[in-house]
Amino acid sequence: GIQVEQSPPDLILQEGANSTLRCNFSDSVNNLQWFHQNPWGQLINLFYIPSGTKQNGRLSATTVATERYSLLYISSSQTTDSGVYFCAVSGSARQLTFGSGTQLTVLP
Amino acid sequence: GAGVSQSPSNKVTEKGKDVELRCDPISGHTALYWYRQSLGQGLEFLIYFQGNSAPDKSGLPSDRFSAERTGGSVSTLTIQRTQQEDSAVYLCASSLPGLAGGGQGQYFGPGTRLTVT
Repeated sequence: GIQVEQSPPDLILQEGANSTLRCNFSDSVNNLQWFHQNPWGQLINLFYIPSGTKQNGRLSATTVATERYSLLYISSSQTTDSGVYFCAVSGSARQLTFGSGTQLTVLP
Repeated sequence: GAGVSQSPSNKVTEKGKDVELRCDPISGHTALYWYRQSLGQGLEFLIYFQGNSAPDKSGLPSDRFSAERTGGSVSTLTIQRTQQEDSAVYLCASSLPGLAGGGQGQYFGPGTRLTVT
C-alpha cells in the first residue's frame, strides 16, 4: 500500500512565526487531505488537495503530485494552531492512509 | 448542515464484554468508513461501506470486530470479547461516493474513546 511520511515530527514555534509541514507519499494518489487534530481529538478538515495550491486565511497548501509531496504552510501562527497535523492519502483504494503527524506547539 | 456524529463519546468496559459504537454520517454521504487511533499504531483503517455494495473489511484486526450499516445510513461497529489492546479512539468518516469522496474528501466525526479495563 501507499506509504506516507510527514516531517518534522515535532515543531515548536513562537507566536507569529511561519512554518512549513511536509508530506511525502510513495505512489500516485486520487485524494490528499490535511487535517488538524484539536486537543479533544477531533479531526478538522483543512484542505482537500490532491494537486495544485489552495489558501484559506493564514493556511495554504501545495501538492506536487508528479513529485509525490505536499506542503502545508502556516503563517503568523497563533497558540490555537497548536495540535497535531495529519496528511492522509488514498490511491486506488477508497480508504485513507495517514502519516504519523506533526505535533505543533505554538508558544505565546 | 450537521456533521458526522458518533456515540457514545466515551466508553469504559471490562475485558471480555461486548461493545457497540454508533456512527451517523452526513446526510447524502453514501460512503462510510471506520478508523481507529491508538498510541502504538497511529490512525488505521478498519472497514468501508459504499451504498449497498459488500463492505471492504480488509482492515479489521480480528474476527471479534464486525460492522453493519442499516438502510445505507447509520453504522454500528461491534467488538466482541474486548481485550485491553482494543483500547483506542474509534473514528467514523463519511463522504460522497466515488474516488476521493466525490472530489471533496472524507469528513470525520468526533470519535468514541474506548477504554478496556
